Amino acid sequence: EVQLVESGGGLVQPGRSMKLSCAASGFTFSDYYMAWVRQAPKKGLEWVASISYEGSSTYYGDSVKGRFTISRDNAKSTLYLQMNSLRSEDTATYYCASLIPFGYWGQGVMVTVSS
Amino acid sequence: DVVLTQTPPTLLATIGQSVSISCRSSQSLLHSNGNTYLNWLLQRTGQSPQPLIYLVSKLESGVPNRFSGSGSGTDFTLKISGVEAEDLGVYYCMQFTHYPLTFGSGTKLEIK
Repeated sequence: EVQLVESGGGLVQPGRSMKLSCAASGFTFSDYYMAWVRQAPKKGLEWVASISYEGSSTYYGDSVKGRFTISRDNAKSTLYLQMNSLRSEDTATYYCASLIPFGYWGQGVMVTVSS
Repeated sequence: DVVLTQTPPTLLATIGQSVSISCRSSQSLLHSNGNTYLNWLLQRTGQSPQPLIYLVSKLESGVPNRFSGSGSGTDFTLKISGVEAEDLGVYYCMQFTHYPLTFGSGTKLEIK
């Protein structure tokens, strides 16, 4: 069974850091181009970052560029999102998802940035 | 940035009715490699998005064949041939031909 399981979310103060993980199973993780997508409460979907199969290429949305870092460990079949200098507007549910091939989404992890 | 305009924003349908959702792009989604990276997802209330269709018209594994996708260039359509109660939720189109990846604003399907 294919699974993407996010973890590492919770409540964090503005300006602090948090690292999300996404553990993949049931498929060959290194064959998949991966991404993080977020959804603020009651809002639509927003792409956050993407990473190539081996991790050599990364791309970021303007709202997180310079603050967030996407990475992966293919040996551990795990995707990461390091989030620094968090702001209240980063409050959202964060999903990991496969882009190429498309088709796998995690259940999401909530991140709340508040003092 | 590529803007994806979804219409209608809300769709009210009866069980068994066929409906269509439009997704129009501000620029062509045909990639230089020949693929068109336009996908459709369904988000049911309280759940994570579920992929339905990729590369315009290819059905994800396990998705009922009452769902179909079509289109090219800048105009795309998701059709549900015979709506069922389990189809209610918000439908999103998304593109990753161009960075930044973008999503449509969603179409909420409600059942009468």
